[in-house]
Amino acid sequence: NAGVTQTPKFQVLKTGQSMTLQCAQDMNHEYMSWYRQDPGMGLRLIHYSVGAGITDQGEVPNGYNVSRSTTEDFPLRLLSAAPSQTSVYFCATKGANYGYTFGSGTRLTVV
Amino acid sequence: GDSVTQMEGPVTLSEEACLTINCTYTATGYPSLFWYVQYPGEGLQLLLKATKADDKGSNKGFEATYRKETTSFHLEKGSVQVSDSAVYFCALTPGGGTSYGKLTFGQGTILTVHP
Repeated sequence: NAGVTQTPKFQVLKTGQSMTLQCAQDMNHEYMSWYRQDPGMGLRLIHYSVGAGITDQGEVPNGYNVSRSTTEDFPLRLLSAAPSQTSVYFCATKGANYGYTFGSGTRLTVV
Repeated sequence: GDSVTQMEGPVTLSEEACLTINCTYTATGYPSLFWYVQYPGEGLQLLLKATKADDKGSNKGFEATYRKETTSFHLEKGSVQVSDSAVYFCALTPGGGTSYGKLTFGQGTILTVHP
């Protein structure tokens, strides 16, 4: 049982490049979300989804796109990377009780 | 909107010392409260939770009590170990029950325990 799998673990991008952070879960959780973690700011919600075909914005959505075509996958797209998007990104799912499960994170550096 | 405020860090303690990390919140209604722990290089793990006033969450020697009158959920441990060194996050979700409440996090507190 893998839980929540994020890929890649590390990535360096040049300003203006695009990329997709992958998140896959095998727990059949309806709720999936993306957070970014920055020093001194905790984790901030970027986008979330309550089921396949349904997504919504969180606290800091600008510069990021998401889609949810299946229950298992919730990719996060950076269309034109900026240095301000240098951060650690976490995917999290939520089951029927209060159990949020976090992936191990993707450390992104934009130069 | 909802918010969570944690005590300023980092916190450095000697092994077997007592730990308190303060957490206060602002939320409407009756939020559920959580403490998450992040060990170096890893994702977040749920440490403990409380879903209603006066509930006490506990796990691995850590405790926190949901105090609605002071809107607080302070994390405590009577005797810390080196292995407790990590970043601790206080968080909440709005309302109770099993809704898809979004997690709102505090800024995190870095704990370092020396032998």
